[in-house]
Amino acid sequence: DTGVSQNPRHKITKRGQNVTFRCDPISEHNRLYWYRQTLGQGPEFLTYFQNEAQLEKSRLLSDRFSAERPKGSFSTLEIQRTEQGDSAMYLCASSLSGAGETQYFGPGTRLLVL
Amino acid sequence: QQQVKQSPQSLIVQKGGISIINCAYENTAFDYFPWYQQFPGKGPALLIAIRPDVSEKKEGRFTISFNKSAKQFSLHIMDSQPGDSATYFCAASGRSNTGKLIFGQGTTLQVKP
Repeated sequence: DTGVSQNPRHKITKRGQNVTFRCDPISEHNRLYWYRQTLGQGPEFLTYFQNEAQLEKSRLLSDRFSAERPKGSFSTLEIQRTEQGDSAMYLCASSLSGAGETQYFGPGTRLLVL
Repeated sequence: QQQVKQSPQSLIVQKGGISIINCAYENTAFDYFPWYQQFPGKGPALLIAIRPDVSEKKEGRFTISFNKSAKQFSLHIMDSQPGDSATYFCAASGRSNTGKLIFGQGTTLQVKP
């Protein structure tokens, strides 16, 4: 069991640049979630996939954010034209529907926008 | 309606003592209440979870107490150890909302040796 993996673990970028993060869920998990966590706060839901379908997006996910899960396996989260307010930890979690809803989190990608 | 309120924000306990963290929710559609533990630089890890059909669940030194009528639940850590020093988050979700977790604000626990 390799768990949920995320890459990169850290990303420093300049304001206005685009960044892309990758999440590899636990292999048999069909549900995948992205959350954002700022310092001293709990994670906040961003978006949810069941298999390859994106079924819910938070209002936190502005037009600059896009997420994909093309084959129902790994997922990518892209932020275009980054702003300093995007600086946060981006967490990915996966779960298996019908299995108690336990979400397993990855280690996160810490983004710093200068 | 979607909020989960957690208290205290921080907690200092002596080794061997009991740590108690409380959470309250408003949305009666929530039916799954997990607690996560997070160490600095790591993702949250599930500690223990409860559903509203039971009032208490115990796993080792960790116990969740659940009060459905008051819409409150709490985490008790018995015999607290320095290795328990971490940030703890309560959360809630309901089957009707895709399973997304609504997290509390977190409690930073420090267990002094």
